[in-house]
Amino acid sequence: QVQLKESGPGLVQPSETLSLTCTVSGFSLTSYSVSWVRQPSGKGPEWMGRMWYDGDTAYNSALKSRLSISRDTSKNQVFLKMNSLQTDDTGTYYCTRDQAESSGDVPFDYWGQGVMVTVSS
Amino acid sequence: DIQMTQSPASLSASLGETVTIECRASEDIYNGLAWYQQKPGKSPQLLIYNANSLHTGVPSRFSGSGSGTQYSLKINSLQSEDVASYFCQQYYNYLTFGSGTKLEIK
Repeated sequence: QVQLKESGPGLVQPSETLSLTCTVSGFSLTSYSVSWVRQPSGKGPEWMGRMWYDGDTAYNSALKSRLSISRDTSKNQVFLKMNSLQTDDTGTYYCTRDQAESSGDVPFDYWGQGVMVTVSS
Repeated sequence: DIQMTQSPASLSASLGETVTIECRASEDIYNGLAWYQQKPGKSPQLLIYNANSLHTGVPSRFSGSGSGTQYSLKINSLQSEDVASYFCQQYYNYLTFGSGTKLEIK
């Protein structure tokens, strides 16, 4: 069955770089696009960026200068790196799967369990 | 960027009631609108896509409607398991979410 699982450090120092991994199973990264979404506690989610099924990337314009998304299809993994972290980057980070194969903008039909990231010294 | 304005921020209703949550987009999103349910401590789950299509396995008491810039989610016959936060999301032009509606039982 389809699964996504985020992993990474729970605590990051201000000004440091966040590195997260999304490991997927039950589908192919060359057929479905995967996005990263974050959610501060008690607030709405924010789309961060997407790894398209064809290897292209798209980013939220507000985060583009700090964000990089990549993948390793042989390991079924998608990676997020975001630099210059500040306290308002604290929240739960999710990876998600697009609802349709090889498609344009569509909603997400599967979400990982999320990983809580706290930015603090 | 397209902004999504969701209302109300919180809602309290009795079991069996019908509730409606609204979402307004800053420009026409041509039915590129989804609704998610998020229970406490859990990940969001897709309820409705394309403004009015029910996702697989979602109870029929959930329904979506709207067009242009105005959309709504209706929950008929409210049940205790519907206690959650609800978010709209536009995917017509990149992706943006509403700020959420927290639904409680009176």
